[in-house]
Amino acid sequence: KQEVTQIPAALSVPEGENLVLNCSFTDSAIYNLQWFRQDPGKGLTSLLLIQSSQREQTSGRLNASLDKSSGRSTLYIAASQPGDSATYLCAVLINDMRFGAGTRLTVKP
Amino acid sequence: DVKVTQSSRYLVKRTGEKVFLECVQDMDHENMFWYRQDPGLGLRLIYFSYDVKMKEKGDIPEGYSVSREKKERFSLILESASTNQTSMYLCASSGGGGNQPQHFGDGTRLSIL
Repeated sequence: KQEVTQIPAALSVPEGENLVLNCSFTDSAIYNLQWFRQDPGKGLTSLLLIQSSQREQTSGRLNASLDKSSGRSTLYIAASQPGDSATYLCAVLINDMRFGAGTRLTVKP
Repeated sequence: DVKVTQSSRYLVKRTGEKVFLECVQDMDHENMFWYRQDPGLGLRLIYFSYDVKMKEKGDIPEGYSVSREKKERFSLILESASTNQTSMYLCASSGGGGNQPQHFGDGTRLSIL
């Protein structure tokens, strides 16, 4: 059964720092990997989708990479801002979507 | 932009009631999903549907059923609500092809008293 792990569970950084969030998965036979953002009490907002054949995707200050063979993905956030504070979840798609538990990010002004 | 709308943000019901959670998407997506999210357990798939009148069980279907009579609408039904079904319920949709991103609604926070 696919297991998705996100480390760290929580992260606090000062504004302006570049940071990396990690996601690992046990079964490399995935169709895609998706990164989401979740604000407290809200649903999930899709940030980036990486297809299994791709190595990375970029959107603004966000860059996500995928290494299928090692079962890892990273989400890089450049020049972090207080508005980036949220929980970030990764999910992999095989027959259905499997989610990590998330990393709770706090960016301090 | 894809819009997934869940009918209620907050809902309070009593034990034993039949509860309906509604979800509507406006992008003609084939696939629709119901999850619940609990602290420490993350998101768990309850049911999903790849087409009208079609449904498949997810990881935790017990105590739930679903209905998809129209492509844009996917309903989650709690047949006889119990306190352990107090949770955040999230609906999602995605396009066909098995390789499209999932888009989520804002969630329904359901409390069963």
